[in-house]
Amino acid sequence: EVQLLQSGAEVKKPGEFLKISCKGSGYSFPSDWIGWVRQIPGKGLEWMGIVYPGDSDTRYSPSFQGQVTISADKSISTAYLRWNSLKASDTGIYYCARLRGFGGVIVQGYFDYWGQGTLVTVSS
Amino acid sequence: EIVLTQSPGTLSLSPGERATLSCRASQSVGSSYLAWYQQKPGQAPRLLIYGASSRATGIPDRFSGSGSGTDFTLSISRLEPEDFAVYYCQQYGSSPYTFGQGTKLEIK
Repeated sequence: EVQLLQSGAEVKKPGEFLKISCKGSGYSFPSDWIGWVRQIPGKGLEWMGIVYPGDSDTRYSPSFQGQVTISADKSISTAYLRWNSLKASDTGIYYCARLRGFGGVIVQGYFDYWGQGTLVTVSS
Repeated sequence: EIVLTQSPGTLSLSPGERATLSCRASQSVGSSYLAWYQQKPGQAPRLLIYGASSRATGIPDRFSGSGSGTDFTLSISRLEPEDFAVYYCQQYGSSPYTFGQGTKLEIK
């Protein structure tokens, strides 16, 4: 059974560093892209970016490029989402999800399995 | 960027009725690369449909997707109590891969 288990809720102050995680199991973690999706409470979903754990190749949405860093460690089947300096506007629920992807230079696909979400609250 | 507009914003129906949800794209979604997700309160989204019309594993056949180009539809033939939720469409044909704003399906 495919499972994605995310780290717990975080409460941080503006300017702080944060790295949240997503551990995959039940499938070949290095072989499938993993993505991150943001949901501001009460709002819709935003596609942030994806990482291929096999070689750490990453792709970002222009809206999130330079704002976050997505990475993965295939040895422990874990993907990460990192902020170097949080802002209040980063408050939201962050989901990791497995991408059923295709393509080479341009990777396309939909998300078939999702983690349970990590609530990040940034407030002074 | 392709903008997806879902309608209606809220749909009020009774169990047993048929639901029809719309997703319209601001430009053509190549090769029908469109997915539908269901999200219940406090839960992660769940994949229902991909490729505009293919049901994901374990999804009941009362859910069906159709459409191409810029107009897509999710239909639920006979609503069950567990179907009342928020539904999102997502296009993965053109980067950045965007989601619609959602349709809330509520019990009448």
